Amino acid sequence: GAVVSQHPSRVICKSGTSVKIECRSLDFQATTMFWYRQFPKQSLMLMATSNEGSKATYEQGVEKDKFLINHASLTLSTLTVTSAHPEDSSFYICSALSRGVYSNQPQHFGDGTRLSIL
Amino acid sequence: KNEVEQSPQNLTAQEGEFITINCSYSVGISALHWLQQHPGGGIVSLFMLSSGKKKHGRLIATINIQEKHSSLHITASHPRDSAVYICAVHARGGGADGLTFGKGTHLIIQP
Repeated sequence: GAVVSQHPSRVICKSGTSVKIECRSLDFQATTMFWYRQFPKQSLMLMATSNEGSKATYEQGVEKDKFLINHASLTLSTLTVTSAHPEDSSFYICSALSRGVYSNQPQHFGDGTRLSIL
Repeated sequence: KNEVEQSPQNLTAQEGEFITINCSYSVGISALHWLQQHPGGGIVSLFMLSSGKKKHGRLIATINIQEKHSSLHITASHPRDSAVYICAVHARGGGADGLTFGKGTHLIIQP
């Protein structure tokens, strides 16, 4: 089946650091990728929708200048948390929308990135 | 805004028991996912449904579009089924929209 690789799986860094998270579709082209965030004991929440070659669409309450999304190719989207602070500590997970042979199960999830800001 | 409610929030059962997890949603949808999230956070998509019933191994998922309700069943449950099970829906309008998630059901199967 379709595979989505997310890297890194865990990041621990100091407040003020910018952190980049990569999401790659390994064996299919993903015209759309989604970024989600999950705080402890909370449900996953959609942060933004990333379309290849165009600007990301952010959900209400998500700062686009803080969470920079780049979807430069059909297999890669990146989320950069700029000047991260402890309140940004969370579990970030991406998913990719496939078409064609995998269209019966259109969203494929990465394994997530656990971000801890000290 | 689409609300997704799951029940129960927590469920502890003995190995071999039949498990049912329920999901209700408030607006029209194009599809519903059942997802399994492991302790490390990784998510596996179990089913995507738009109508009827699907079965995969010991897992069965059903959906009633009119009643805006879906259930996930696990037969002959096993400790390795212990995980958080999440219901997620695509709003009507197609799959190119992000999912709205329920809060999940934390399932523990004791040997």
